[in-house]
Amino acid sequence: KAGVTQTPRYLIKTRGQQVTLSCSPISGHRSVSWYQQTPGQGLQFLFEYFSETQRNKGNFPGRFSGRQFSNSRSEMNVSTLELGDSALYLCASSLGGTRNTEAFFGQGTRLTVV
Amino acid sequence: GESVGLHLPTLSVQEGDNSIINCAYSNSASDYFIWYKQESGKGPQFIIDIRSNMDKRQGQRVTVLLNKTVKHLSLQIAATQPGDSAVYFCAEALTGGGNKLTFGTGTQLKVEL
Repeated sequence: KAGVTQTPRYLIKTRGQQVTLSCSPISGHRSVSWYQQTPGQGLQFLFEYFSETQRNKGNFPGRFSGRQFSNSRSEMNVSTLELGDSALYLCASSLGGTRNTEAFFGQGTRLTVV
Repeated sequence: GESVGLHLPTLSVQEGDNSIINCAYSNSASDYFIWYKQESGKGPQFIIDIRSNMDKRQGQRVTVLLNKTVKHLSLQIAATQPGDSAVYFCAEALTGGGNKLTFGTGTQLKVEL
């Protein structure tokens, strides 16, 4: 069974640009969550999508957005990039029912904003 | 200037010894807990989970203990191996709260030969 796939693995963008990251969950998983990992703040929850709807949202500005497609694949977008957005962006997939189950992470996308 | 990183506590153990990694969680209403292992350059890897109706759960070479009274979680690794060297995170979640995980700051485990 294939794991969680995130693309691209590495990305360099200029301040002010926007970026789109992609996540393909494990087959059969309907929940996709996104996290930002930085040395200063650790792992922080961005948002969760389930059945194409945002089910949870963390405390990030509106520049961070996401969506989920009917095949459960998800994308997140960051507009007007700032230097502080440099981070490892991780997505996690899980079955997504009302009862929490294991969340499996991808390798992440390393975003560098210059 | 440089950003100040989180100070990760470090646990150094000898190969073959048992390791105990501790975590204090924040929300007394949390009822689902997971331990993750993260190696350099990789995403977090699921190790073991436990629900709040249990105090202890065992996996292969790992045991998780949950003390809800003091909001404390621990991960015990038996016969620690060099491949266990990584950063370990605990995470908490709330049933009905979707799959939003709140992570601890992490512990760096170093296994010495």
